[in-house]
Amino acid sequence: DQQVKQNSPSLSVQEGRISILNCDYTNSMFDYFLWYKKYPAEGPTFLISISSIKDKNEDGRFTVFLNKSAKHLSLHIVPSQPGDSAVYFCAASYGDTGNQFYFGTGTSLTVIP
Amino acid sequence: NAGVMQNPRHLVRRRGQEARLRCSPMKGHSHVYWYRQLPEEGLKFMVYLQKENIIDESGMPKERFSAEFPKEGPSILRIQQVVRGDSAAYFCASSQSRGQETQYFGPGTRLLVL
Repeated sequence: DQQVKQNSPSLSVQEGRISILNCDYTNSMFDYFLWYKKYPAEGPTFLISISSIKDKNEDGRFTVFLNKSAKHLSLHIVPSQPGDSAVYFCAASYGDTGNQFYFGTGTSLTVIP
Repeated sequence: NAGVMQNPRHLVRRRGQEARLRCSPMKGHSHVYWYRQLPEEGLKFMVYLQKENIIDESGMPKERFSAEFPKEGPSILRIQQVVRGDSAAYFCASSQSRGQETQYFGPGTRLLVL
C-alpha cells in the first residue's frame, strides 16, 4: 500500500533551469512532509520540510509547495546545479507519534551541465 | 563527525546465517529508527526504538527479525536465518525527540544474501 507516490522515476534538467519534483499522497491524515536527497551508496540527506499549516517553505535554492486539497507537494530547485543530480525522496508522517515516515519511491534527477 | 554511523557498510551472508547490523545515533539523539530499501523501491519503516524500549515495531516482519537499543552501545538490527529476499539496504536514522522531528540517516548497510 503505497501511500506516498512519486510517479516520475527520472527527470533531466539543464543547468541553471528550474527542477520540479512532484509527490502525491493518499492519506489525508499526513500533516508533515519532508524531502530527502540521496546519492548512490549513501544514506538520505534531509533537505527541507513543511508542516500542513503552511503551503510553502523556502530554504535557499529549494522551495517546497504543499497543496492539501490536491494531496500534492512539489520541490522546486532554482537554479539547478550539476551537484543536485541525485535521487530525491518525499516522505510524510502524521499524528502525535510521527515516528514512522512513509517514503515515495524516488525521482532520479540529472542536471545536465 | 557526529553523524549517524552504521556498520558494517556491506555484509554478505549465506542463506541460514545470521546478520547483525549496528547503528550509533547522532550525538544527543536518543530515538532510533530502522528502514529497509528493497531494489527499485522507497524506504520502508521497520521499527522505532528509544533506549531499552521498542516503541513501534509495526513494520518489522513477524519472524526472524529483532531489534534492540541497549542502555549502552549501538542499536542492533538482527536477522536470523537470512533468506535471499532479505537482500536490501538497511538504513538507520535518529532524531532528538519523539514526534514530528526530522530524522537524520546513516549511510546504510547493504546486505547481500547468497
